[in-house]
Amino acid sequence: RKEVEQDPGPFNVPEGATVAFNCTYSNSASQSFFWYRQDCRKEPKLLMSVYSSGNEDGRFTAQLNRASQYISLLIRDSKLSDSATYLCVVNLNTGFQKLVFGTGTRLLVSP
Amino acid sequence: GAVVSQHPSRVICKSGTSVKIECRSLDFQATTMFWYRQFPKQSLMLMATSNEGSKATYEQGVEKDKFLINHASLTLSTLTVTSAHPEDSSFYICSAREGSGGGETQYFGPGTRLLVL
Repeated sequence: RKEVEQDPGPFNVPEGATVAFNCTYSNSASQSFFWYRQDCRKEPKLLMSVYSSGNEDGRFTAQLNRASQYISLLIRDSKLSDSATYLCVVNLNTGFQKLVFGTGTRLLVSP
Repeated sequence: GAVVSQHPSRVICKSGTSVKIECRSLDFQATTMFWYRQFPKQSLMLMATSNEGSKATYEQGVEKDKFLINHASLTLSTLTVTSAHPEDSSFYICSAREGSGGGETQYFGPGTRLLVL
C-alpha cells in the first residue's frame, strides 16, 4: 500500500467550477500535512498546510481528518491558472523531517 | 520568500559519464538539504537527506556509491550521479530547510532534468 494515495485524475472542469481532491495516508504517526502544486516540468510549490481544524486561503480550503487518515482540498471558482498537478504531502517526522509525496492529482480548467 | 537554485537546469550526457548537480540556498543557511528524484507521472521520491558537515542519510534502495552527496557548506550541496546510465534519466530536485530548528518548510530548487543517452 502506498504511503500517500491520490486519485491521479485528470479532473476536467470549466472555469468557475468547484472541485475537490482527496488523499489518504497510511502512517498514523504522521505529524503534519500539506498540499503542494506542481506545474508541468517544474518544481513543487507549497500551496498550503493542512490542519485538523480546517483552514482556508482565498479560494482554497484544506481539511484533515486524523481518525480517517484523510486529507482534502477544495478549490472554489476555478481559474484557468489553477490547472496543475496537486500533490498531497505528509511529513513523517521520524526523528527529523521526511516529506512523503503522493503521485498527485491533475487538474485541467477549461474556458 | 527563501530561494533555492540548482545548476544545471538540464543535462544530456553519454552513458558512463558522471554528472554533478549543485543546489544552493541563496538567502538563508540550510543545515539540511534533501535530494529527490521524480520519474514521469510518478511522485517525488526522497533519495537522501544531507546535513552540513556530515555524511548523507540515504533512503532504502538508493546506492550511496552511485549517488554521491556532499554538503560542505551551509549554502551548498552537490549530488554527483556516477557512471550514469539511461535508467538514471529523471528529474532531480533538491530542497533546503532553514536552520536546525527552523520549522518544517522546505524550499525547493527548480530541478535538474537529466537525460542519459
